[in-house]
Amino acid sequence: RKEVEQDPGPFNVPEGATVAFNCTYSNSASQSFFWYRQDCRKEPKLLMSVYSSGNEDGRFTAQLNRASQYISLLIRDSKLSDSATYLCVAKRDFGNEKLTFGTGTRLTIIP
Amino acid sequence: DGGITQSPKYLFRKEGQNVTLSCEQNLNHDAMYWYRQDPGQGLRLIYYSQIVNDFQKGDIAEGYSVSREKKESFPLTVTSAQKNPTAFYLCASSIRTVSSSNQPQHFGDGTRLSIL
Repeated sequence: RKEVEQDPGPFNVPEGATVAFNCTYSNSASQSFFWYRQDCRKEPKLLMSVYSSGNEDGRFTAQLNRASQYISLLIRDSKLSDSATYLCVAKRDFGNEKLTFGTGTRLTIIP
Repeated sequence: DGGITQSPKYLFRKEGQNVTLSCEQNLNHDAMYWYRQDPGQGLRLIYYSQIVNDFQKGDIAEGYSVSREKKESFPLTVTSAQKNPTAFYLCASSIRTVSSSNQPQHFGDGTRLSIL
């Protein structure tokens, strides 16, 4: 079983819709979580950190459920520019800086 | 501008040849990382360094070597022992603190390596 698992998609969603995807992690020692966005043939860019209390950044909301070991990302009022691959990332802290990446969920927003 | 610079953007290697990928950062980050990304796969960690003159193997270190002689530089050498080097190579850096929760990594724009 992969340490971080995501549905690879693709998710094809009409513009303006709300889309949500989840990510599960297997290592309970994971302490910090992030969502990165990666455009085709580009480097990953940090979208947002994920906090236990949940956090929102504009149209994006991230949630963490430690009991069930999953992370979610919600995108409201989706734009064409949201088309990308979204990478779920887990990190063990306490001196260990290594990140574990999911394979990504591909999202395409359709006009 | 502060950031991470990788060079070259595209690199072609002949069979049996060693090549070195450059990664420089001016963010004053202590920790630096090298990843490899293959189509349809997630990023896999090759090597990482949390402090100058120290580095650790990641999950797929075989066929690669690194050095960390300066804080701002972390070059990666792809040796001839790496049998399948064609991939997208990404360098990243991050702050390293005692309480490092929620300190993300920031990436350079990558080097695409291909075998001739």
